Amino acid sequence: SQKIEQNSEALNIQEGKTATLTCNYTNYSPAYLQWYRQDPGRGPVFLLLIRENEKEKRKERLKVTFDTTLKQSLFHITASQPADSATYLCALDPSGGSYIPTFGRGTSLIVHP
Amino acid sequence: KAGVTQTPRYLIKTRGQQVTLSCSPISGHRSVSWYQQTPGQGLQFLFEYFSETQRNKGNFPGRFSGRQFSNSRSEMNVSTLELGDSALYLCASSMDISYNEQFFGPGTRLTVL
Repeated sequence: SQKIEQNSEALNIQEGKTATLTCNYTNYSPAYLQWYRQDPGRGPVFLLLIRENEKEKRKERLKVTFDTTLKQSLFHITASQPADSATYLCALDPSGGSYIPTFGRGTSLIVHP
Repeated sequence: KAGVTQTPRYLIKTRGQQVTLSCSPISGHRSVSWYQQTPGQGLQFLFEYFSETQRNKGNFPGRFSGRQFSNSRSEMNVSTLELGDSALYLCASSMDISYNEQFFGPGTRLTVL
């Protein structure tokens, strides 16, 4: 069955360091992958989308990579700040005409000052 | 531009009752999706409406239903509530059906007693 895995353990890092979050998937052939940020009690906020034919995408301090061979996406936040503390979700949209997106459970990022 | 709005924000119901949740998408967005978020299952896709038609449906029982009006506003209904229906219900809107970028509302927190 299709499965998305994000590290369930919180990632704790010091301010100024680079945070790297992982999203692994199995039994999927996603057309693209998205990353969202969610703060407690609020809806997810879209951050980045990367398509299957793209290797890397950047937006300000954010960088996403997409390796369809490894079936993995890495999400990087450089020069992290305490305000970056949140839960980060990855979402996959399978190719083949099915537009039902599937979300990972998310990884909590805590940036310490 | 106003964001996605959801009403009510909080709701308490008892088992066996029914509930209707409302979502107003961003102006100009024609696609509205609904999700259920629980600590145990994460974010799960319920259904998606585009131009008043349900285009995709997740794996939820028939007690969960929805509709979309001509102004793109959407409602979802849950009948015969069960304790397990307690969750954060999120609505997301996008320009088209391809989920390129979804904008989520703040959610409705439903508690079933």
